[in-house]
Amino acid sequence: AQTVTQSQPEMSVQEAETVTLSCTYDTSESNYYLFWYKQPPSRQMILVIRQEAYKQQNATENRFSVNFQKAAKSFSLKISDSQLGDTAMYFCAFMKQVNSGAGSYQLTFGKGTKLSVIP
Amino acid sequence: GAVVSQHPSWVICKSGTSVKIECRSLDFQATTMFWYRQFPKQSLMLMATSNEGSKATYEQGVEKDKFLINHASLTLSTLTVTSAHPEDSSFYICSASPVPFPEQFFGPGTRLTVL
Repeated sequence: AQTVTQSQPEMSVQEAETVTLSCTYDTSESNYYLFWYKQPPSRQMILVIRQEAYKQQNATENRFSVNFQKAAKSFSLKISDSQLGDTAMYFCAFMKQVNSGAGSYQLTFGKGTKLSVIP
Repeated sequence: GAVVSQHPSWVICKSGTSVKIECRSLDFQATTMFWYRQFPKQSLMLMATSNEGSKATYEQGVEKDKFLINHASLTLSTLTVTSAHPEDSSFYICSASPVPFPEQFFGPGTRLTVL
């Protein structure tokens, strides 16, 4: 079974500064996907960034980037130029295919990191 | 694109009654839908995976007879909490996957309160 560990329950950052959220995972799979989701107070899950395990290049999405270290099974999220709207719970998630043919992909979530951006 | 809706967004019911929650993919077909439960300040826990036209697959520890899941079409899955009790109070979130695509799109969630 896969496990996803987020070791920082809470973090804070000054507006406009940079913050890094850590995530490690454990799996014996070779093909998988990694995600960071944001859950603001509205509780709507929002995809922040996605990384395919077979890609060596780290994914970036505007102010958000990841540091994917496959051998170390590490997948950290860096938020640059933090904004007040970045305040939210951030969940790291691991996805693998569970059924061939049907193409069912299952997510396993970490416990989350509560990020507060301070004005 | 890739919008998932849930209805209702908030429901209060009496203990012993049943509640149905709908999850719809609005602009894509979803052969697979997922149901999660989230307690306050906790992560999402997968309850079950449903594939269109077949029985749902429940995670260990989830009562099949209490949480009935039906995935009757490529755009609709329903979760029925039967004989609800206060301990069933929680936030329920659905997600949907287009075929075959390694991504899930999430609904806005349903807050269930059982009195």
